[in-house]
Amino acid sequence: AQSVTQLDSQVPVFEEAPVELRCNYSSSVSVYLFWYVQYPNQGLQLLLKYLSGSTLVKGINGFEAEFNKSQTSFHLRKPSVHISDTAEYFCAVSLNTGGFKTIFGAGTRLFVKA
Amino acid sequence: DAGVIQSPRHEVTEMGQEVTLRCKPISGHDYLFWYRQTMMRGLELLIYFNNNVPIDDSGMPEDRFSAKMPNASFSTLKIQPSEPRDSAVYFCASSSSVTFTEQFFGPGTRLTVL
Repeated sequence: AQSVTQLDSQVPVFEEAPVELRCNYSSSVSVYLFWYVQYPNQGLQLLLKYLSGSTLVKGINGFEAEFNKSQTSFHLRKPSVHISDTAEYFCAVSLNTGGFKTIFGAGTRLFVKA
Repeated sequence: DAGVIQSPRHEVTEMGQEVTLRCKPISGHDYLFWYRQTMMRGLELLIYFNNNVPIDDSGMPEDRFSAKMPNASFSTLKIQPSEPRDSAVYFCASSSSVTFTEQFFGPGTRLTVL
């Protein structure tokens, strides 16, 4: 079975500082990896995804993530955050062999302070 | 495209009443997912459909919950009878097996059971 662990429930950071949100996954088969963002009172929207190929994936709003197979990690990074990045971020995995069932992590609340 | 549409956006009801949540997926998408989000349990997959057929309902909490997808453009999640512990935000999401891989989420229905 697949599982996703987001290592931090909350991450406070000052505006313009760099940030890393950590995600580890467990799976016995190959998976697809995702980061979603949820702004207050909204649904989730895709930030970026890893399917195959280059392990460094770039997404929207200046975010990027790196797939590390040996450490089974998919950490999300941004070199300089803005107040508007305050939101909840979800790491997710799904099997790449069909079925399309996606397992979401518990979420990390990013709080950007002025 | 209008995206995934959910109605109502907010529902307040009394314990014991029947509640019906509605979802219209993105046109052309053949997968539909129902999730529940609470502070305590995070984002939980309740059930998902492929081509209107339920594939996995193992996340449905109990017999009080039922979901249907009578056609490709409409799905319902029904709770009968409702209980205060059902209070949560319910999300519908859809995806395409052709362009998979991400899911597109609706804005959610905030359910409060008094």
